[in-house]
Amino acid sequence: EAGVTQSPTHLIKTRGQQATLRCSPISGHTSVYWYQQALGLGLQFLLWYDEGEERNRGNFPPRFSGRQFPNYSSELNVNALELEDSALYLCASSFYRGRQPQHFGDGTRLSIL
Amino acid sequence: GESVGLHLPTLSVQEGDNSIINCAYSNSASDYFIWYKQESGKGPQFIIDIRSNMDKRQGQRVTVLLNKTVKHLSLQIAATQPGDSAVYFCAEMGPKETSGSRLTFGEGTQLTVNP
Repeated sequence: EAGVTQSPTHLIKTRGQQATLRCSPISGHTSVYWYQQALGLGLQFLLWYDEGEERNRGNFPPRFSGRQFPNYSSELNVNALELEDSALYLCASSFYRGRQPQHFGDGTRLSIL
Repeated sequence: GESVGLHLPTLSVQEGDNSIINCAYSNSASDYFIWYKQESGKGPQFIIDIRSNMDKRQGQRVTVLLNKTVKHLSLQIAATQPGDSAVYFCAEMGPKETSGSRLTFGEGTQLTVNP
């Protein structure tokens, strides 16, 4: 069974540009989560999508947004990129029933020049 | 707010020894906990989970202990192997009403296994 897949693996942008990151969940999982792992800051929750709707949002500015498609895949969009957005962006998926483990992909490394 | 912290940032053990990684959490209403292992260049890998109605759960070579009285979580790895070298994170899930399914992660402990 394929795990969570993310693309691209690496992304290099300049300040002010926009970035789009993609995630395909494990087959059968309906929930997709996005986390940011910045150097020295650990993993921080960004967004949670389930059945196409945003269910919860972390403490990030509105320029971080996303969506979930009918096939449960997801996109994370970051507008007006800032240097501090440089980080590893991790996507996870789970079943949305009760307390379920979240399984992670290997992330997209976003570098802002 | 919610926070999860690890007592030790680094842990070095000899191959074959048992390892214990500790975690303190602050939200007494958290009802679900997960341990993850993250190797360099990879995403966190699920190890084991435990619900708040349990005190102990065992997996293959791993045991998680939950002490709700002092809000403490630990991961025990038996017969530690070089392949266990990684950063280990604990994560908590708060009540559905306020946190939904978001995970709050601890800072991570770097486990190094010496041959």
